[in-house]
Amino acid sequence: DTGVSQNPRHKITKRGQNVTFRCDPISEHNRLYWYRQTLGQGPEFLTYFQNEAQLEKSRLLSDRFSAERPKGSFSTLEIQRTEQGDSAMYLCASSYGLAYGYTFGSGTRLTVV
Amino acid sequence: GQQLNQSPQSMFIQEGEDVSMNCTSSSIFNTWLWYKQDPGEGPVLLIALYKAGELTSNGRLTAQFGITRKDSFLNISASIPSDVGIYFCAGAGSARQLTFGSGTQLTVLP
Repeated sequence: DTGVSQNPRHKITKRGQNVTFRCDPISEHNRLYWYRQTLGQGPEFLTYFQNEAQLEKSRLLSDRFSAERPKGSFSTLEIQRTEQGDSAMYLCASSYGLAYGYTFGSGTRLTVV
Repeated sequence: GQQLNQSPQSMFIQEGEDVSMNCTSSSIFNTWLWYKQDPGEGPVLLIALYKAGELTSNGRLTAQFGITRKDSFLNISASIPSDVGIYFCAGAGSARQLTFGSGTQLTVLP
């Protein structure tokens, strides 16, 4: 098991472009989470899936953001019409059941220029 | 926005010294967690606390879940260079999401 894998590690995009990130969780984990982290701050919750169902979404997840987990395995996070304020590290994490100590991936650092 | 107040914001200590950091909240949490994050990486879980008053150790790390359920602290004994990094507290209420503090940047001087 190689842990939680996120791709790409870095993404630079022009304002207004769409970007998509991928997360591959630990294989036996049924819960998957997306967090966003800006410089000097702790991660902030965006959304969470149990299997393929998206069960919770933060107010931070504006309508330009969409997340999917089509078969309960990998997940994608898409940001449409990116803005400079979207520049951040996007972290994915997974867990099995109700375990709080979930495992984070290394993140995708997004820079919007 | 975040609800956890973590202090200190940064610490510079000599190798071998003990370190203490804490986290307070305006809300009650059912679970407290402490994570460490290295540059360019995701947070790594250090200690999880599930019961008010609980004191848990993991090697040189010790953490406690406050009786009021609104605070927690982390101690690191006999610091070493690889302890350098950012330490985050996180709380979980009834929802499955975590609320993180803003982190404590630890620097260990030789």
